[in-house]
Amino acid sequence: LAKTTQPISMDSYEGQEVNITCSHNNIATNDYITWYQQFPSQGPRFIIQGYKTKVTNEVASLFIPADRKSSTLSLPRVSLSDTAVYYCLVGDTSGTYKYIFGTGTRLKVLA
Amino acid sequence: DAGVIQSPRHEVTEMGQEVTLRCKPISGHNSLFWYRQTMMRGLELLIYFNNNVPIDDSGMPEDRFSAKMPNASFSTLKIQPSEPRDSAVYFCASSLARDRWFFGQGTRLTVV
Repeated sequence: LAKTTQPISMDSYEGQEVNITCSHNNIATNDYITWYQQFPSQGPRFIIQGYKTKVTNEVASLFIPADRKSSTLSLPRVSLSDTAVYYCLVGDTSGTYKYIFGTGTRLKVLA
Repeated sequence: DAGVIQSPRHEVTEMGQEVTLRCKPISGHNSLFWYRQTMMRGLELLIYFNNNVPIDDSGMPEDRFSAKMPNASFSTLKIQPSEPRDSAVYFCASSLARDRWFFGQGTRLTVV
């Protein structure tokens, strides 16, 4: 089964750039790597998705190296409202359509 | 669209009782996932449906758990009999093909 590792928690100040890395071994070679944000008492919410290299949207960037053994979510100029738990989601290489969430990184943005 | 709708939002039941959680996916989506979230185990995939057919149910913990998707607009997750260790937040998510997933608000289940 694929295994994922994320830092448990991070602190940052408003206006700073935050980078959160997820290490993932044995992931599906033909599936996206996706990141989600979760606030308390809510379901995870899609942030960004990529297959390789770099992807950017209006809220974040995602960097994926060629070996796809890790991915880094980059949040530019965070605000207090970005305080949440961030998860990576990968497909398992076993071909069973099993999708595995990372352990989650609790980001706290300080004023 | 109202998004993925789950009901009930909260459920408290006694050990041994049957519990049924419900999910209405986003119209037009062809994939549906049931996840369970706990502090100890994080987000665990229970079962994945594609075009109403169960594709992978290897995450269903025991025979006490069963899931159905009788049509494209409705799915249920049933636990019978329920046990205290089943207490968790259960999420349903839907998507179109391999696109982004949309999660419901979840059902917080407490088994006493």
